[in-house]
Amino acid sequence: NAGVTQTPKFQVLKTGQSMTLQCAQDMNHEYMSWYRQDPGMGLRLIHYSVGAGITDQGEVPNGYNVSRSTTEDFPLRLLSAAPSQTSVYFCASSYRAGGYEQYFGPGTRLTVT
Amino acid sequence: GENVEQHPSTLSVQEGDSAVIKCTYSDSASNYFPWYKQELGKGPQLIIDIRSNVGEKKDQRIAVTLNKTAKHFSLHITETQPEDSAVYFCAEQGSARQLTFGSGTQLTVLP
Repeated sequence: NAGVTQTPKFQVLKTGQSMTLQCAQDMNHEYMSWYRQDPGMGLRLIHYSVGAGITDQGEVPNGYNVSRSTTEDFPLRLLSAAPSQTSVYFCASSYRAGGYEQYFGPGTRLTVT
Repeated sequence: GENVEQHPSTLSVQEGDSAVIKCTYSDSASNYFPWYKQELGKGPQLIIDIRSNVGEKKDQRIAVTLNKTAKHFSLHITETQPEDSAVYFCAEQGSARQLTFGSGTQLTVLP
């Protein structure tokens, strides 16, 4: 099993550009989530999904969209990048929501200039 | 909303000594408390977790304790080794069933 994979590993965007961060898992997990990690602030939940076709907002959803058309994939879209979105983004998956180990991908380091 | 306070933010110990990281939470409905270890350039990885019906759990050199009355839980690492150097995050799952993470502790084990 590859686990949770994320692409790209690094990305530089200009303010106003859009892009999609890809996330895939091959463990048939129902629950998938996106976090951003900023210095001194831990991991903050952006969006999550409890199954194909179901998504919901986390703590910091503004400026991001998600969709879950398949169990395996959970892309994160930045609609119009802003410098405040400079961060490291992690995708995670778990068997189900609530009380199960979350498996994290390797992360995407995004810089918005 | 849910809030998790984690202390200290940095911790240096001599190899072989013990390390303790503490977290407090605010949601009385919280029922699941995992700890994650993040090595440089990698995603976090679960090292141990505890549920609200248990007061302590051990796994070799790692232990976690939970005090529900005081709403705090702690990670204990004994006989520390250089490979224990990493960032450690506590987290809690409350009534919303989503994880809320602490701000992290950079642990450095000095040889």
